[in-house]
Amino acid sequence: DTGVSQNPRHKITKRGQNVTFRCDPISEHNRLYWYRQTLGQGPEFLTYFQNEAQLEKSRLLSDRFSAERPKGSFSTLEIQRTEQGDSAMYLCASSPDRVNRVGLAKNIQYFGAGTRLSVL
Amino acid sequence: AQKVTQAQTEISVVEKEDVTLDCVYETRDTTYYLFWYKQPPSGELVFLIRRNSFDEQNEISGRYSWNFQKSTSSFNFTITASQVVDSAVYFCALQNTGGFKTIFGAGTRLFVKA
Repeated sequence: DTGVSQNPRHKITKRGQNVTFRCDPISEHNRLYWYRQTLGQGPEFLTYFQNEAQLEKSRLLSDRFSAERPKGSFSTLEIQRTEQGDSAMYLCASSPDRVNRVGLAKNIQYFGAGTRLSVL
Repeated sequence: AQKVTQAQTEISVVEKEDVTLDCVYETRDTTYYLFWYKQPPSGELVFLIRRNSFDEQNEISGRYSWNFQKSTSSFNFTITASQVVDSAVYFCALQNTGGFKTIFGAGTRLFVKA
């Protein structure tokens, strides 16, 4: 399996602009997660999908943030009217919904390399 | 509330030294999972280990070992004979039994000097 893929790796934008990030999970992983990581901190949970259903959203996810996973495969995270405080690394992770053929349990999340957002 | 504390912000060692990274957690759940991840400069979080709350058996994997003590809510990570390639930020994490929301500590940056 290829790993979790995130695009773009870096995004520089001006305050007030909209940005969209894409995450392609490991194939056959039904669960997909978004996290935000600021400098010197650990990742903070943003939202979680089980197939195409968004089942949990953190209070960190303001109205300017929206995430979709329309066909239960890739996911997008959009930030509208970006603010300087949105500057961070946005991480995507995926996990299987069951123990797979090599015995890995469903709750181990495998992460992508992230998209680093800089809002000027 | 759930919380993970990694009190060591940065640790610097010389190659071949042993080093222990501390992790203390708080949770009201009786069952939960604990994790360690490594984040090298490339940015991708690399899974190292998962431990169930009902399994306090310590684990060794090559130069890595983990000491889980439920009585003190600690899950410490030891690297034996450290190498330069071990230089990274290490995160301890706590996950509910629903298996989705993971709480990470602030991380410990490890520098291993040649």
